[in-house]
Amino acid sequence: DTAVSQTPKYLVTQMGNDKSIKCEQNLGHDTMYWYKQDSKKFLKIMFSYNNKELIINETVPNRFSPKSPDKAHLNLHINSLELGDSAVYFCASSQGGDYHTDTQYFGPGTRLTVL
Amino acid sequence: AQSVTQPDIHITVSEGASLELRCNYSYGATPYLFWYVQSPGQGLQLLLKYFSGDTLVQGIKGFEAEFKRSQSSFNLRKPSVHWSDAAEYFCAVGARYQKVTFGTGTKLQVIP
Repeated sequence: DTAVSQTPKYLVTQMGNDKSIKCEQNLGHDTMYWYKQDSKKFLKIMFSYNNKELIINETVPNRFSPKSPDKAHLNLHINSLELGDSAVYFCASSQGGDYHTDTQYFGPGTRLTVL
Repeated sequence: AQSVTQPDIHITVSEGASLELRCNYSYGATPYLFWYVQSPGQGLQLLLKYFSGDTLVQGIKGFEAEFKRSQSSFNLRKPSVHWSDAAEYFCAVGARYQKVTFGTGTKLQVIP
């Protein structure tokens, strides 16, 4: 069984569209994260939620809005997509809320291509 | 702010040979250090981490890493590489109250 799953795996869309990426974890973890990996393989944290509460919000355009309906799900909605949003987006989860020390379990990634 | 450098973009080793992947970091105090592996089409998986204590850290899949403060390094090693180790490896550095910064990865190719 997949521990952290993301859908879709690939997403190709036009500039200006709105899209969502879904993430689910079945590990019973309290904390979930979204990361962006750009074309140069730089991986940066975007958001973190602990028990449905936002605890990390890096400098990310407000076109990106995470939504956590319950602690097993953290979805990422992106409005008005831009070319620069093309990247691989990874969801992750951890048992505790310490982003610095807790082992994080990553999903397989969603490759977003904006045309 | 901390930074991390993985000098080798791509490394090729023969199956059964030893492996060392380099990681250098920049941070004023004692950092938290991590190594992750990413297999094709998969997410990152934590191999090992160092916070304090013994500077030689054992991880999963037969990997180990050694924290050398004097060299600001945290190199990953494996004595005998298996074909299934072919993947991309990411070093990361963090600290209390600092975000975790990832390197740009080293792609490992294993040849028979």
